[in-house]
Amino acid sequence: GDSVTQMEGPVTLSEEAFLTINCTYTATGYPSLFWYVQYPGEGLQLLLKATKADDKGSNKGFEATYRKETTSFHLEKGSVQVSDSAVYFCALTYNQGGKLIFGQGTELSVKP
Amino acid sequence: DSGVTQTPKHLITATGQRVTLRCSPRSGDLSVYWYQQSLDQGLQFLIHYYNGEERAKGNILERFSAQQFPDLHSELNLSSLELGDSALYFCASSTADSSNQPQHFGDGTRLSIL
Repeated sequence: GDSVTQMEGPVTLSEEAFLTINCTYTATGYPSLFWYVQYPGEGLQLLLKATKADDKGSNKGFEATYRKETTSFHLEKGSVQVSDSAVYFCALTYNQGGKLIFGQGTELSVKP
Repeated sequence: DSGVTQTPKHLITATGQRVTLRCSPRSGDLSVYWYQQSLDQGLQFLIHYYNGEERAKGNILERFSAQQFPDLHSELNLSSLELGDSALYFCASSTADSSNQPQHFGDGTRLSIL
């Protein structure tokens, strides 16, 4: 079945470090891909999305490119801040209905 | 603020009981989705409603049921509760039932079964 696999956390970085969180997917069709972020005690917020191959989603300095050939959607940020500390979820959806299939989440902790 | 409102924020009850979780979608959104977040299962899709009609079911137990009302708010009913039902339950809404429409999540209801 369809699935999403993320790199295991927690990931601990120093402020201003470069961030990569790996995400790969398995899907029988051509899904839309999303990154969501969950801050402590809050719900999930959409961070960025890409709906077709080679699309690049970007928001708040975060970027991810939809790579069909490697079935990947890795999240990157050039310089992380303490305020980026959160859990990041990669997800896919396709077909009528749009249910989201999530990866297991990657916890990011940024130290000053 | 996503515009999706979930009540209550916290719920503590005992095994065997029944609870109702409520979700008000963003203004104008016709789709409501329910998800369960637990430590062992992660985030799992439960059920989707679009404009009052059930569209898709995921890993939803028979003890659980949901509905979407004419004013588009939705309720998730959990009955014969077990310890393993303790989790965060999220509601999300979107404008349509297309895969291209992003879902906007509420802050969740934390259910604790004692």
